[in-house]
Amino acid sequence: AQSVTQPDIHITVSEGASLELRCNYSYGATPYLFWYVQSPGQGLQLLLKYFSGDTLVQGIKGFEAEFKRSQSSFNLRKPSVHWSDAAEYFCAVGAPNNQGGKLIFGQGTELSVKP
Amino acid sequence: NAGVTQTPKFQVLKTGQSMTLQCAQDMNHEYMSWYRQDPGMGLRLIHYSVGAGITDQGEVPNGYNVSRSTTEDFPLRLLSAAPSQTSVYFCASSYDGAGGYTFGSGTRLTVV
Repeated sequence: AQSVTQPDIHITVSEGASLELRCNYSYGATPYLFWYVQSPGQGLQLLLKYFSGDTLVQGIKGFEAEFKRSQSSFNLRKPSVHWSDAAEYFCAVGAPNNQGGKLIFGQGTELSVKP
Repeated sequence: NAGVTQTPKFQVLKTGQSMTLQCAQDMNHEYMSWYRQDPGMGLRLIHYSVGAGITDQGEVPNGYNVSRSTTEDFPLRLLSAAPSQTSVYFCASSYDGAGGYTFGSGTRLTVV
């Protein structure tokens, strides 16, 4: 069955420190991969996506993610966290080749930033 | 502004009542989906559509109904509300799935 696992429910980092949020997926083929961010009381905003090509993808707000096929992972990174990055982050997978038009989400990782 | 519009933003229902959550997008997206978000469970897919006249079930379809008569609109109907349907509901749309989905701002539903 298709699934997405975000092992860390809550992470706290100091402002200016680096960040890595983990995401592992289970899928029969290489899916489309996404990271979304949700601020409290808001909808979800797309940070970045991967579906082919260079395995290191750049997104908005200084985020990047690396696709590792051998590890079925798509971890999100940021070299220096800002207080405004405090939010919940969701990893999601989508069916490739336009099969189904649906996303499967992980449980989310809540990020807190210490001043 | 182009985007996904959900109405209402908040709703309180009594058990057994029915209602329709509205979702409209003006980006000519073929793909539309409904999710519910519950604490600690991420977002779970309720129903989705790959085009007008085509819908399918997601992970948690029971108690919900959808139709897609136009490209722009994808309403979600609660047939007989239950307290277990208390949740935040998000509608999303995408041109082709690969480019990512645009989400609405959500509807917070409470069933008492």
